[in-house]
Amino acid sequence: EAGVAQSPRYKIIEKRQSVAFWCNPISGHATLYWYQQILGQGPKLLIQFQNNGVVDDSQLPKDRFSAERLKGVDSTLKIQPAKLEDSAVYLCASSGEGAGELFFGEGSRLTVL
Amino acid sequence: AQSVSQHNHHVILSEAASLELGCNYSYGGTVNLFWYVQYPGQHLQLLLKYFSGDPLVKGIKGFEAEFIKSKFSFNLRKPSVQWSDTAEYFCAVNAPGNNDMRFGAGTRLTVKP
Repeated sequence: EAGVAQSPRYKIIEKRQSVAFWCNPISGHATLYWYQQILGQGPKLLIQFQNNGVVDDSQLPKDRFSAERLKGVDSTLKIQPAKLEDSAVYLCASSGEGAGELFFGEGSRLTVL
Repeated sequence: AQSVSQHNHHVILSEAASLELGCNYSYGGTVNLFWYVQYPGQHLQLLLKYFSGDPLVKGIKGFEAEFIKSKFSFNLRKPSVQWSDTAEYFCAVNAPGNNDMRFGAGTRLTVKP
């Protein structure tokens, strides 16, 4: 079974630039999550999708972050404009129906200079 | 909303020592509990999980965790650690039927050969 795919693995940008991350969940998984993991901290949920609808985006900084999952499969997370404090690893995860367990991708490490 | 506390930020052990990592959660209802592990350079992967039933759960690689409801705790244990257990360990919680998973800040384990 293929795992959660994310790209790019690494990205370095300057502040005020924009960046986009892509995630393809495990086939058949209806729920997709984006987490932000700042160095030394645990993952923090940014947004949760159920199919192509948003379930929870309460912790997403909507003035600069946006995410979409148009066809209920893959998803993109965009940051525009980036700030220094956005330097983190952006994790995508997916879960199946009622499974409870999340399956994570390898993450996209963002460095904002 | 639920929250998770991991009290040990960094633990250093010698091989063959016993391990116990603390995890406490804050949530008034029924919970699912998880331990995830992140080996250096790898993605988060599930170590073990508790949904219901026997409060002592066994996971991969000789790890186990005990759910103590009265203490809101789910401590991770291993009787004898190996150098290959060097990793970051995250405790997480969600409510049944709600895949909004909250993570602790993580405990970095270093095992000296």
